Amino acid sequence: NAGVMQNPRHLVRRRGQEARLRCSPMKGHSHVYWYRQLPEEGLKFMVYLQKENIIDESGMPKERFSAEFPKEGPSILRIQQVVRGDSAAYFCASSPTNEKLFFGSGTQLSVL
Amino acid sequence: RKEVEQDPGPFNVPEGATVAFNCTYSNSASQSFFWYRQDCRKEPKLLMSVYSSGNEDGRFTAQLNRASQYISLLIRDSKLSDSATYLCVGGGSQGNLIFGKGTKLSVKP
Repeated sequence: NAGVMQNPRHLVRRRGQEARLRCSPMKGHSHVYWYRQLPEEGLKFMVYLQKENIIDESGMPKERFSAEFPKEGPSILRIQQVVRGDSAAYFCASSPTNEKLFFGSGTQLSVL
Repeated sequence: RKEVEQDPGPFNVPEGATVAFNCTYSNSASQSFFWYRQDCRKEPKLLMSVYSSGNEDGRFTAQLNRASQYISLLIRDSKLSDSATYLCVGGGSQGNLIFGKGTKLSVKP
C-alpha cells in the first residue's frame, strides 16, 4: 500500500505563472488535506476535501488559490499568478476517516 | 486565542533525560488529539494518538486533560534520535485538524 504521493517534489515558477501541485492519497482514503509551511514556521491548514467536495477552505486565500479532489485522479492545489510570498513547502495528507493524517513528502515551491 | 498552542522551545536536554511538552487547545468539543514528529525539511509523521485514559508507547507517554484543555507528551530516557520538532494536533472548530507550531527538541550527547 503506497503512501501519500505528492509531485513534483520541487517546483520552480516565475512570478505570474501558475503552479499546480498534485497529491494522490493512500488507497482507500477519501479525505485529503493541504497544509502550507514556511521555514521555521508551523503547518498552516489550507483546505480539507472529501471526494469531489470541499469541506473546509477556511485556511485558503480567497484569490489565486483553488483546490479540487475529483472522483478520479489526484487532488490538485492550484495557485494562479504566483508571487514570491507563495514560496513554501506544501504538504498534502490523507485520512480514511478525518482522524489520523498521513502525509506526503511535500512539494517545495520556489517563486523567482 | 489560537486553536492549538505550544511552547516553541527549543528544549535542549542531555541524553537520558526525561522531557515533557504541553499543548493547549481552545475547542472544547474537539475529540481527536495526536502528537506528530517532524524532522527538518521532512513531512510530519504520526507519533501517537492521545486518548482520554492516557496511553504509553515505549518511552513515550501521552495524556489528555479535558478539564484544563491540554495534552502532554512525556519522553523518557531521551535518545539523540529523538531530536526533532514535536507537533500537537487537535480538532478545529470547523471539523478539520489544527496543528500547533511545534516544540523543538534537541538531545545532546
